[in-house]
Amino acid sequence: GAVVSQHPSWVICKSGTSVKIECRSLDFQATTMFWYRQFPKQSLMLMATSNEGSKATYEQGVEKDKFLINHASLTLSTLTVTSAHPEDSSFYICSAEQDRQETQYFGPGTRLLVL
Amino acid sequence: AQKVTQAQTEISVVEKEDVTLDCVYETRDTTYYLFWYKQPPSGELVFLIRRNSFDEQNEISGRYSWNFQKSTSSFNFTITASQVVDSAVYFCALSEIYSSASKIIFGSGTRLSIRP
Repeated sequence: GAVVSQHPSWVICKSGTSVKIECRSLDFQATTMFWYRQFPKQSLMLMATSNEGSKATYEQGVEKDKFLINHASLTLSTLTVTSAHPEDSSFYICSAEQDRQETQYFGPGTRLLVL
Repeated sequence: AQKVTQAQTEISVVEKEDVTLDCVYETRDTTYYLFWYKQPPSGELVFLIRRNSFDEQNEISGRYSWNFQKSTSSFNFTITASQVVDSAVYFCALSEIYSSASKIIFGSGTRLSIRP
């Protein structure tokens, strides 16, 4: 089956630093990747949708200058949390969709803790 | 606007009991997908089922069954003879079928605890 990986699985950083999270589709080409954020005991909220080679589309209320998304290839998307603050601490999950197959495959998630 | 409501925030039952998780959705689209996902404590989402709006047949997979009723906009999930390993947060979700980006809208989740 289709596998999506995320790296790192968890990260602790100091306030003010930037953190990059990678999302890779391991055995298929993902034309579209999605980034979600999940705060403790809450649901998954879509942050942005990215298509390979084009700018990401951000959901309302998500700061595009703070959450930089790059989808440089059909197997890799990155989310960079710039100047992270404690309120950015969350569980970040990516998903990948194979060429409009209408099925999203989810990564295992990345836990970010900003001190 | 699309919306998924899971009114049950937490459910706790004793092992071997049957339990039903409710899901009610709202959408103006006539074509859509409905999903159920399981999220164990590890955090990784486990896909359970996807059902399209054209298919109202109920589905059974082992101890799991799903009841889809368009008339009431509900897609309920039943676990029969529950086990401790079923303890997790369960999310119901909805997405459009024909759109430029197949966004998934998640419900708030139901935390299921199975007591031994």
